Amino acid sequence: GAVVSQHPSRVICKSGTSVKIECRSLDFQATTMFWYRQFPKQSLMLMATSNEGSKATYEQGVEKDKFLINHASLTLSTLTVTSAHPEDSSFYICSARKGTKETQYFGPGTRLLVL
Amino acid sequence: AQSVAQPEDQVNVAEGNPLTVKCTYSVSGNPYLFWYVQYPNRGLQFLLKYITGDNLVKGSYGFEAEFNKSQTSFHLKKPSALVSDSALYFCPGSNYQLIWGAGTKLIIKP
Repeated sequence: GAVVSQHPSRVICKSGTSVKIECRSLDFQATTMFWYRQFPKQSLMLMATSNEGSKATYEQGVEKDKFLINHASLTLSTLTVTSAHPEDSSFYICSARKGTKETQYFGPGTRLLVL
Repeated sequence: AQSVAQPEDQVNVAEGNPLTVKCTYSVSGNPYLFWYVQYPNRGLQFLLKYITGDNLVKGSYGFEAEFNKSQTSFHLKKPSALVSDSALYFCPGSNYQLIWGAGTKLIIKP
């Protein structure tokens, strides 16, 4: 089956620092990758959609200058949380998809805690 | 507006009994529908999907779901629940991006 990895699985950082999260599709080429945020006991909130080689499309209310997304290759997308604040603490999940009607495969998630 | 609804926040089932997790959708065109499961502090695992064809879709871990166009439903079912099935279940629907419901917590009691 399709495998998506995320790194790191957990990160603790100080307020004001930046954190980079990597998302990789290990055994398939992902034309589209998605970044989600999940609050405790809540559903997934789509933050942005990125296509390889293109600028990411951000959902309403998501600050593109704060959440930098780079989809440099068909197997790698990164999310950088810039100048992190405690309210950015959350569970971040990426997913990857081969084609428009294909299944999204999810990474294991990254737990971010900003102190 | 397009939406997916999971009307039950939580479903409790005794081990060995059949389980049903409900999902209804309002997605334009010919929707494609998915079920995913999320274990605590983990990402989501794909269970099954419906795009076209047979309305009864069989998926991983013994789960199946039936697409009912007239009732706009895509309920998840399993004939005999296991304690290990306890998790959070999502049924997103899609035309391009996945539209998410709130999720249903499934608790299987021994």
